[in-house]
This record gives sequence, C-alpha cells and structure tokens, in this order.
Amino acid sequence: SSELTQDPAVSVALGQTVRITCQGDSLRSYYASWYQQKPGQAPVLVIYGKNNRPSGIPDRFSGSSSGNTASLTITGAQAEDEADYYCNSRDSSGNHLRYVFGTGTKVTVL
Amino acid sequence: EVQLVESGGGLVQPGRSLRLSCTASGFTFGDYAMSWVRQAPGKGLEWVGFIRSKAYGGTTEYAASVKGRFTISRDDSKSIAYLQMNSLKTEDTAVYYCTRESTLYYFDYWGQGTLVTVSS
Repeated sequence: SSELTQDPAVSVALGQTVRITCQGDSLRSYYASWYQQKPGQAPVLVIYGKNNRPSGIPDRFSGSSSGNTASLTITGAQAEDEADYYCNSRDSSGNHLRYVFGTGTKVTVL
Repeated sequence: EVQLVESGGGLVQPGRSLRLSCTASGFTFGDYAMSWVRQAPGKGLEWVGFIRSKAYGGTTEYAASVKGRFTISRDDSKSIAYLQMNSLKTEDTAVYYCTRESTLYYFDYWGQGTLVTVSS
C-alpha cells in the first residue's frame, strides 16, 4: 500500500516563497489535493487536480506534480498562511480503493 | 451554501458502540460520495472510509484500521450520512469530520467535526 511523506515543518519569511512537497507511489496515478488546517479548525481545500484553486483561495497558492512527487507552493507568503498543510490522494495499489493523507507539514511564517 | 454538520460524538467506553451523523444541506446530497476523516489529538488526518452515491452502487470502502468495526451508510431522503462505530478502541479517540467527495477525487467541503473520546 502507498503512503504519502511530507517534511514535518518549514519556515518562510513574510512575503517570500515556500514549497511543500509530498512523495508517494499513488501520486504516479492520481493527482494530489492539498488542505490547509489552522488550529482548532476543520481542514480547507486549497489545491486540487493538476493545479486548481477553489473559489476564495488566493492565487498565491499553486500546485504541481512530477512522477511520485506533488508540490504546493505559496508565493508571497502571508501571516495568515501559517498553518498545517496536508496532501491527499486516492490509492488503488492494494486490494481495495482508499484515500491516503500525507504526514503533514507545519508552515511557520516569520 | 454547502453545509455539513456532524453530531453524535461524546465519551464512550472501550468495546462499546457509537453512531455519528452528518447532516448535509445546500446541494443534492444523493449525487455525491461522502467520506469520513478523523484526527487524533495532536496528530494528522486519517481517512476512515467513504460511501459512493447510489448512481455508483452506494458501496463502501474503509481504511484497514477500521474495517470490520465501522460501517458507513446514507439516507438520501434525509441528506444524512452515518458512521456506525462498533468495538471502539482507545486509539479511535479523535475528531471525526464528514466530507463531501468530488468526482475528481478530492474533498471539497468539510464539517466542523465531532469529538469522540474512547476511555474507561
């Protein structure tokens, strides 16, 4: 079965660019989606598909993918972007279809 | 406006059962698959399982950690999804989120979550 691995934590200076990566075999078959979670709140979808943002998500969030790695980039990070970020994808490598979440990355905006 | 509201959480002893509900509004509930996702205190997100729409058979899939103990069902006439949890273990303690699954394999709306605590 496939797992998704993320760096535990990254930091970025206010206004600078940060990239969060997610690695896993399932990403060779399925696009990743990305979720932002702030303390005490439910996750919020920020990127899905090849590189799509839901309504209301700022265009400083973008996604990309290559091979078994998906990336979420925040260009011009803002203080309100400080949060945990999780990738997710479908996985059909085992006997049954399932979804798998990444281990999560805590983003600190300095 | 799409809304998902979970209910039914609480404190339960190990080995007992609990049923969570997810009441949906603002969209045609029967057209969508629904998933449950949980988050143990201080931990990451874990997918629990999903139920397909009736158009796709209304069948279910589960994470290995809950298969055989948890059952997801739906009542499209009431726009409610259920998570029946049996033989609960202390490691099932978590906030349980209900999510709407897009046809393109992502979760576009989430409820606010309901806390389940399994403890003696």
